[in-house]
Amino acid sequence: EVQLLESGGGLVQPGGSLRLSCAASGFAFSNYAMSWVRQAPGKGLEWVSVIGAGGTPIYYADSVKGRFTITRDKSENTVYLQMSSLRAEDTAVYYCAKQLPGVRIFDYWGQGTLVTVSS
Amino acid sequence: EIVLTQSPGTLSLSPGERATLSCRASQSVSSNYLAWYQQKPGQAPRLLIYGASSRATGIPDRFSGSGSGTDFTLTISRLEPEDFALYYCQQWGTFGQGTNLEI
Repeated sequence: EVQLLESGGGLVQPGGSLRLSCAASGFAFSNYAMSWVRQAPGKGLEWVSVIGAGGTPIYYADSVKGRFTITRDKSENTVYLQMSSLRAEDTAVYYCAKQLPGVRIFDYWGQGTLVTVSS
Repeated sequence: EIVLTQSPGTLSLSPGERATLSCRASQSVSSNYLAWYQQKPGQAPRLLIYGASSRATGIPDRFSGSGSGTDFTLTISRLEPEDFALYYCQQWGTFGQGTNLEI
């Protein structure tokens, strides 16, 4: 059974940093690209970042470029999202998601972790 | 940048009825990259349709997708109580704003 378990969310002040983790199990982690998708309270879905199966390529949404960094550790079957210079508008539930091969379509999602940026 | 516009914003129907949800792209997109998701309150999205018309694993056959170019449709043939939820279309890194399917 595919499982994605996010952690690391919480309350952080504007300008602060946070690292999210997503532990994957139930599939060959090294064979699939992984993405982070976020959802602000009461709003729609926004794709944030993707990392290829082997660690490249890496892409970011314009809204987070230069502030967020995605990485993955194949020994830990975990994908990370390092977030810095956080803003109020980054407040959202952050989901990690497994991609279908060759397309940015997400066949499995984690339960999400809430990040709140507020003073 | 491609914009996806979903309509209607809210669709009010009853169990047993047929639901037709629309997703229109601002420019032609490849059907290979078009997906539909269902999201219920407090839950993560669930993949329903990929490649515009292929059902994801475990998705009932009352869900079907169609379309090409700029116009795509998600059809639910006979609504079950558990189908009332939010629905999003997606093309690559862009999501539509969602359609709320309510009783």
